[in-house]
Amino acid sequence: KAGVTQTPRYLIKTRGQQVTLSCSPISGHRSVSWYQQTPGQGLQFLFEYFSETQRNKGNFPGRFSGRQFSNSRSEMNVSTLELGDSALYLCASSRTLAGVGAGNEQYFGPGTRLTVT
Amino acid sequence: QKEVEQDPGPLSVPEGAIVSLNCTYSNSAFQYFMWYRQYSRKGPELLMYTYSSGNKEDGRFTAQVDKSSKYISLFIRDSQPSDSATYLCAMSAGAAGNKLTFGGGTRVLVKP
Repeated sequence: KAGVTQTPRYLIKTRGQQVTLSCSPISGHRSVSWYQQTPGQGLQFLFEYFSETQRNKGNFPGRFSGRQFSNSRSEMNVSTLELGDSALYLCASSRTLAGVGAGNEQYFGPGTRLTVT
Repeated sequence: QKEVEQDPGPLSVPEGAIVSLNCTYSNSAFQYFMWYRQYSRKGPELLMYTYSSGNKEDGRFTAQVDKSSKYISLFIRDSQPSDSATYLCAMSAGAAGNKLTFGGGTRVLVKP
């Protein structure tokens, strides 16, 4: 079974630009979460989608947004990029939500490394 | 103070030794506990998943959860140089989805 895939793997953008990252979950998984990883802050939760609905949101500014499509694929968008947005952006998928039986373990993709100059 | 605390290491052990990792947490609502391994410039790989308190064993890995002490552990037996990586603990309350709160990670070096 194929794992979580993320595109692109590497991206260089200029301050003020916007960027869209894509994530394809494991087949059959309906929950997709996004995380930001930086050396200083570690892994921080951005948001989670399940059945095209945002279920949870982390403490990030409104410049960070996301969506999920009917095939469970997800995109996240960052507008008006700042230098501090340079990070590894990770997508994770799980079959279900917690409390809905087993299957809420999250499996991560390889990440998209975003550099803002 | 962070919700999940994890010693950053590095933890250096000789090949074949037992690696002992742990995390403490403050949020009593956490019910789901995971350990991930992350190699440099790669995504985290799920090693162990535990619901509530107790022990779980999978091959060379043993995970322990003590909710009364808010303390979780991961033991790696017969460590190999390929186990050299950063190990992250992660937890979820489950009440509002699958949001994971991570520890800062412990860097482990297994020397041949």
